Amino acid sequence: DTAVSQTPKYLVTQMGNDKSIKCEQNLGHDTMYWYKQDSKKFLKIMFSYNNKELIINETVPNRFSPKSPDKAHLNLHINSLELGDSAVYFCASSPSTGGNEKLFFGSGTQLSVL
Amino acid sequence: GNSVTQMEGPVTLSEEAFLTINCTYTATGYPSLFWYVQYPGEGLQLLLKATKADDKGSNKGFEATYRKETTSFHLEKGSVQVSDSAVYFCALRGLTNAGKSTFGDGTTLTVKP
Repeated sequence: DTAVSQTPKYLVTQMGNDKSIKCEQNLGHDTMYWYKQDSKKFLKIMFSYNNKELIINETVPNRFSPKSPDKAHLNLHINSLELGDSAVYFCASSPSTGGNEKLFFGSGTQLSVL
Repeated sequence: GNSVTQMEGPVTLSEEAFLTINCTYTATGYPSLFWYVQYPGEGLQLLLKATKADDKGSNKGFEATYRKETTSFHLEKGSVQVSDSAVYFCALRGLTNAGKSTFGDGTTLTVKP
């Protein structure tokens, strides 16, 4: 069973559309994250939730809205998509916010905005 | 704030060559240090980690030692294989800051037969 799974794997859409990416983890972790990876492979944190509570909210346009219905799920909704939103979005989880814990990543969602 | 600086890539090596990817960091307190690897088309996965000064992390022939005096965590492998071709990320994670991990910019390694 995949530990951190996200859907869809590929998402191609037009500018101005609204889309969602879903993420689920079956590891029993308390903390989940969304990262954005650009075409140069730079990785930037967007959001983090701990036990369904938002704890990290980086400088991200408010067109991006995360939602965590329960500890095992963290979804990302994007309104009014722009060309610059094209990237690979990774969901990740960790047991808690502890300093020595590794991250478990999903396989990514490649978003292409045309 | 915390930051991680990685050796710029891309790096191209021949099979069985020695690999070093430099990583230095700036952080308050005593963070844990990590190397993650990303194979083409996949998410990142942990390669190795070290949680305190002078610790050595090792996995799959890769090693890195947590050097507090030089604030470094350089990745090394004695003999690379074609299958090691990937993007390597150095990262740190502190005890505070809500579990936020800070990543370097990644170093792309290509190993040629």
